[in-house]
Amino acid sequence: NAGVTQTPKFRVLKTGQSMTLLCAQDMNHEYMYWYRQDPGMGLRLIHYSVGEGTTAKGEVPDGYNVSRLKKQNFLLGLESAAPSQTSVYFCASSYSSGNYGYTFGSGTRLTVV
Amino acid sequence: AQTVTQSQPEMSVQEAETVTLSCTYDTSESDYYLFWYKQPPSRQMILVIRQEAYKQQNATENRFSVNFQKAAKSFSLKISDSQLGDAAMYFCVRGGGADGLTFGKGTHLIIQP
Repeated sequence: NAGVTQTPKFRVLKTGQSMTLLCAQDMNHEYMYWYRQDPGMGLRLIHYSVGEGTTAKGEVPDGYNVSRLKKQNFLLGLESAAPSQTSVYFCASSYSSGNYGYTFGSGTRLTVV
Repeated sequence: AQTVTQSQPEMSVQEAETVTLSCTYDTSESDYYLFWYKQPPSRQMILVIRQEAYKQQNATENRFSVNFQKAAKSFSLKISDSQLGDAAMYFCVRGGGADGLTFGKGTHLIIQP
């Protein structure tokens, strides 16, 4: 089925470890986004991309890096994980600038101990 | 920062009754979009309804309708004939720019059988 796929779905990291979250979409969407969801905070934008080879910072970018080498993939990296990065991470994509809403992945629950 | 405010952290309604979730937002743009997203315990983000700011007519999707007051920057969601499957977190969301969606903190909706 067409949609947004996030890998992995769950992960536990030790403080200081690194990891990459993968987001893949098969809808030929130009725009892709990474959000984090914390209790009582709603979703907050980490980084986004408006097309292949582009990235931009969102509301809470510190401690994260992203890359969009291929149109269908958007990677989120944590170079040195911290407990404050414990969260649920959502990837989303849209055909244009969000006016038709987004298609979301099912989320990645990350725990940093 | 442009914010979205949901003043009701939790709402409870009897099955088959009507409930209204409140939302106000802040924006300096004239052209934007507003959404209500539903997040059940499965964590999946589901688009419930969408409103284009330049349209005066309130959007309706089956049992879900909105009351969009542009001058007051208010965007409430009415759920008629509430069903057990409506139980979820509901997020009011503003969109329309390339930098993604701005989420409210959410309202937890409980359906009493």
